[in-house]
Amino acid sequence: GAGVSQSPSNKVTEKGKDVELRCDPISGHTALYWYRQSLGQGLEFLIYFQGNSAPDKSGLPSDRFSAERTGGSVSTLTIQRTQQEDSAVYLCASNQARSAGELFFGEGSRLTVL
Amino acid sequence: KQEVTQIPAALSVPEGENLVLNCSFTDSAIYNLQWFRQDPGKGLTSLLLIQSSQREQTSGRLNASLDKSSGRSTLYIAASQPGDSATYLCAVGGTSGTYKYIFGTGTRLKVLA
Repeated sequence: GAGVSQSPSNKVTEKGKDVELRCDPISGHTALYWYRQSLGQGLEFLIYFQGNSAPDKSGLPSDRFSAERTGGSVSTLTIQRTQQEDSAVYLCASNQARSAGELFFGEGSRLTVL
Repeated sequence: KQEVTQIPAALSVPEGENLVLNCSFTDSAIYNLQWFRQDPGKGLTSLLLIQSSQREQTSGRLNASLDKSSGRSTLYIAASQPGDSATYLCAVGGTSGTYKYIFGTGTRLKVLA
C-alpha cells in the first residue's frame, strides 16, 4: 500500500475484554514496530519484527500483550483482559531496517478502556 | 540503556523567527537519527533522517544536524510559520546493536501569527 494502514482507528471496550489491533505495513518493508503513546507521554516501544527473525518483545508491558506478524506482512497486536491503564494510542511503523531506512508511521489506533 | 532527551519541552515564538530544537542521547552507537512532526490526534510524519555517517540533512526550511560523538542533534526551522505548530520528536535508531528506535518526549512548538 501507499502508507502504513492501521485499524480500527478508534476502539472503545469494557475492562476485561480482549482487543485486536491491526497494522498493514508499507509493501516491501521488512521491519515492523509497535509503539504505545499514552496521553501527554512519549512513545513507548512495545515490539519489533524483522523478516523471519525472532521478534524483539522486550517492550511488552505484561503477558496480556502479544503480537504476531503473518507472512512477513500484516501484524496484529492483541491485548487480553484489558485494563483502564491500557488506554492509549497504539502506533505502528515500518521501514527497510537492513538499510537503516526511514521509519514511516500509521495514524494509530486509539484504545479507550472503560 | 539509551536515553533520549529533548529541550525545551515547549516553545512559543512569533511568526518569522528562526528557531532551534535540541535532542540529546546517551549512547552514541546509533545507526541513524530521525526527526518527526506530530499534529494533535495524528500519527508521526517523518521530516528528516540522518544516517550515522552524515553530519546534516536539509529539506526546505528545515535543517537537522548530528554530532554523534557528543550525543546531540539539532533541528533548525527557518522563518517559522503558524503551520509549523506541532510536537517535534527525535528518535535514535540502532541502539545496542538492534534496529529499535528510542524516542524523546518531544518539543511542543507554537508559532503565533
